[in-house]
Amino acid sequence: LAKTTQPISMDSYEGQEVNITCSHNNIATNDYITWYQQFPSQGPRFIIQGYKTKVTNEVASLFIPADRKSSTLSLPRVSLSDTAVYYCLVDPYQTGANNLFFGTGTRLTVIP
Amino acid sequence: EPEVTQTPSHQVTQMGQEVILRCVPISNHLYFYWYRQILGQKVEFLVSFYNNEISEKSEIFDDQFSVERPDGSNFTLKIRSTKLEDSAMYFCASSGLVNSGELFFGEGSRLTVL
Repeated sequence: LAKTTQPISMDSYEGQEVNITCSHNNIATNDYITWYQQFPSQGPRFIIQGYKTKVTNEVASLFIPADRKSSTLSLPRVSLSDTAVYYCLVDPYQTGANNLFFGTGTRLTVIP
Repeated sequence: EPEVTQTPSHQVTQMGQEVILRCVPISNHLYFYWYRQILGQKVEFLVSFYNNEISEKSEIFDDQFSVERPDGSNFTLKIRSTKLEDSAMYFCASSGLVNSGELFFGEGSRLTVL
């Protein structure tokens, strides 16, 4: 499994765009990049997944450069409720047996 | 929106007692998982389950642990003889066949072993 490295913590003011970068130098050809969000005392929640270039949904955007050795989760105009731990995961995209391995994640604190 | 539900939300038990944590996965999902998170630590994979058998398990999932899908809707995790270090939040998750990179997690069951 490709190892991921992301900042331990980040602070941001409300209304700002937040970019969290994750490096995964040993990503394999069949690996996908997935981001999860976890609020205190809750289960992780899927945010976004991508393989290359850019993916956008109603919550976030995911930017993946051509070499795929890193990825950036972008949260537009964060609010206090976006305070959470954000996990970057790199896993083979295969049917079933999605045994996700979570690292320590990035603890995002949104300040009023 | 369909969701994974877990019961109980919190269970306190004495060391050595058996505990069963229950989960109702999303109805059309085929893959089921248990994860745990000790307070302040990482979310750790325990076991995955498909087609009524274990697909993969971690080193944590030793002989004290077992999983079962007894009736086609529930998915249970049993800890045979709890230890103090089993105190953690236990999360059940499920995923469908399509778009399998996305797991849906429940709210968790907090287990406290005294």
